[in-house]
Amino acid sequence: SQQGEEDPQALSIQEGENATMNCSYKTSINNLQWYRQNSGRGLVHLILIRSNEREKHSGRLRVTLDTSKKSSSLLITASRAADTASYFCAAAAGGSYIPTFGRGTSLIVHP
Amino acid sequence: DAGITQSPRHKVTETGTPVTLRCHQTENHRYMYWYRQDPGHGLRLIHYSYGVKDTDKGEVSDGYSVSRSKTEDFLLTLESATSSQTSVYFCAISEGTGEAQPQHFGDGTRLSIL
Repeated sequence: SQQGEEDPQALSIQEGENATMNCSYKTSINNLQWYRQNSGRGLVHLILIRSNEREKHSGRLRVTLDTSKKSSSLLITASRAADTASYFCAAAAGGSYIPTFGRGTSLIVHP
Repeated sequence: DAGITQSPRHKVTETGTPVTLRCHQTENHRYMYWYRQDPGHGLRLIHYSYGVKDTDKGEVSDGYSVSRSKTEDFLLTLESATSSQTSVYFCAISEGTGEAQPQHFGDGTRLSIL
């Protein structure tokens, strides 16, 4: 069963706009990770946020974690056409070192 | 990029034939994983390894077996391929610590079973 579930399934925006993707999970976690997948390629790790952290930044990426709501969000600011990809969250349940991946959000950024 | 090589990158085979996919890493990471990715299902764990000769089942292990005789190589075998095993297969590696670590992925093997 999916530990992480992304929302929306698909997102289409214009270059320069911000893109927000959400992830909900079912059980308590030790950390949550976000990955990007370009068409025809493997997943690439973006950010890991631990259960005792609320927010984390990496360049144009901002990840938040709300453990009370069992949810996380990934914000990409000032999006670029090169950000077009699928984005996955992966949640590792407490005590497990193997995360479970969601089905992903497909992001299209129009130039 | 993490040194992960999957082979072959593409394969077409017939139902009932055996198929072996290979994952090779140059990072000396302890953990290795095999996933399959299908539309509507996302990424699902098939088997994983936490050391040489140490493997365990994932969410969708039926019909698959694995072997790890060396740190750098993790093999996935379909003993008798079925059409339901048509998928894109990804290998991943991670360092081993108490909590989930970032995984590094290969570029996948696209397997078609006719």
